[in-house]
Amino acid sequence: RKEVEQDPGPFNVPEGATVAFNCTYSNSASQSFFWYRQDCRKEPKLLMSVYSSGNEDGRFTAQLNRASQYISLLIRDSKLSDSATYLCVVSLNTGGFKTIFGAGTRLFVKA
Amino acid sequence: GAVVSQHPSRVICKSGTSVKIECRSLDFQATTMFWYRQFPKQSLMLMATSNEGSKATYEQGVEKDKFLINHASLTLSTLTVTSAHPEDSSFYICSARPTDRGPGEQYFGPGTRLTVT
Repeated sequence: RKEVEQDPGPFNVPEGATVAFNCTYSNSASQSFFWYRQDCRKEPKLLMSVYSSGNEDGRFTAQLNRASQYISLLIRDSKLSDSATYLCVVSLNTGGFKTIFGAGTRLFVKA
Repeated sequence: GAVVSQHPSRVICKSGTSVKIECRSLDFQATTMFWYRQFPKQSLMLMATSNEGSKATYEQGVEKDKFLINHASLTLSTLTVTSAHPEDSSFYICSARPTDRGPGEQYFGPGTRLTVT
């Protein structure tokens, strides 16, 4: 089983749609959680951290359920510019902090 | 703030040669830097964790004698791919974690696309 698993995608949605990405992690000792965005042939960029209380940044809402070891990202009112790969990222302390990336979910937003 | 640069952005080399990639944190100090490799349509794979002033920690399956890492200062880490072969062709990305930030917060360089012919 992969340490971080994401929806396989790709997701093809029209502009204005709401889309949700799911992610599960296997190590219950995981401590920090993030969503990154990666555009084609570019480096990943931090989109938002994920907290147990849930957090929102404009059209983006992230949720964490530690009991289920589950993370989600909701994008409302999708824009063409949201088209990218979204990476679920988990950080844990294994005698030194280690960051593990999910395989990513590709999103295509169409006009 | 939190800018990370990588050099070169693209390199083509012949099989058997060595290639050095530099990763610099431009406006912050980074005790820890990470080196990743990404093949087309695949996720980032952590190769090694580089700690300033000490030896790098390599992930399982990554040959430390082939991928030499040096983290000589708080703003610079280098990755040298020795005796490169075509299967080493990939997108190499570094990231740096600011010394005063949490464990998961890291900033990525723009990547280096290596092609070995």
